[in-house]
Amino acid sequence: QKEVEQNSGPLSVPEGAIASLNCTYSDQGSQSFFWYRQYSGKSPELIMFIYSNGDKEDGRFTAQLNKASQYVSLLIRDSQPSDSATYLCAVNPGRDAGGTSYGKLTFGQGTILTVHP
Amino acid sequence: DGGITQSPKYLFRKEGQNVTLSCEQNLNHDAMYWYRQDPGQGLRLIYYSQIVNDFQKGDIAEGYSVSREKKESFPLTVTSAQKNPTAFYLCASSRTSGSYNEQFFGPGTRLTVL
Repeated sequence: QKEVEQNSGPLSVPEGAIASLNCTYSDQGSQSFFWYRQYSGKSPELIMFIYSNGDKEDGRFTAQLNKASQYVSLLIRDSQPSDSATYLCAVNPGRDAGGTSYGKLTFGQGTILTVHP
Repeated sequence: DGGITQSPKYLFRKEGQNVTLSCEQNLNHDAMYWYRQDPGQGLRLIYYSQIVNDFQKGDIAEGYSVSREKKESFPLTVTSAQKNPTAFYLCASSRTSGSYNEQFFGPGTRLTVL
């Protein structure tokens, strides 16, 4: 069973702080990694993806990937109350035996983030 | 506007009834997916399709059926064999030709069994 694990939280941070969300995965061959934000009662929204070791920054968001440790994280700088949501980590195993890239994802259970004023 | 639409937004089912959830996309994506989400849980894959007239079972396909007669449409039927169907159902789509093929989601259908 290929697994993606997240701390379910809730993670509570004060407004303006850095929120750090973590995810580990079991399939060593995983190729690409996604972070989705899901507000209560709404569908997931893609906010970041990363495929190379290291950091990828987009505005206040930074995704970090360490394939050797099978670990991916999301940092949210200057956290705002509007960032309060569930953050889902998803992993794509990559190309199949025929070399076709496909989009099938395995999701973690999500981390609830609360940013308080 | 390109996107994914799901209907209805809310659906109520009586015991023993089959119901069909609609999913349509105009993103020209080849692949489409159905997920189920229970309260406090992540997404679990029900069925997926990478091409018209072909689909594969996901992790929790029992009690569900799908069809893929058109590229744009991937309806999900929740049959009476699904014993606990109350959940939030999400449809997604993605390309299959790129390197990363991120999935984009529709707004979801919330199904409740009465």
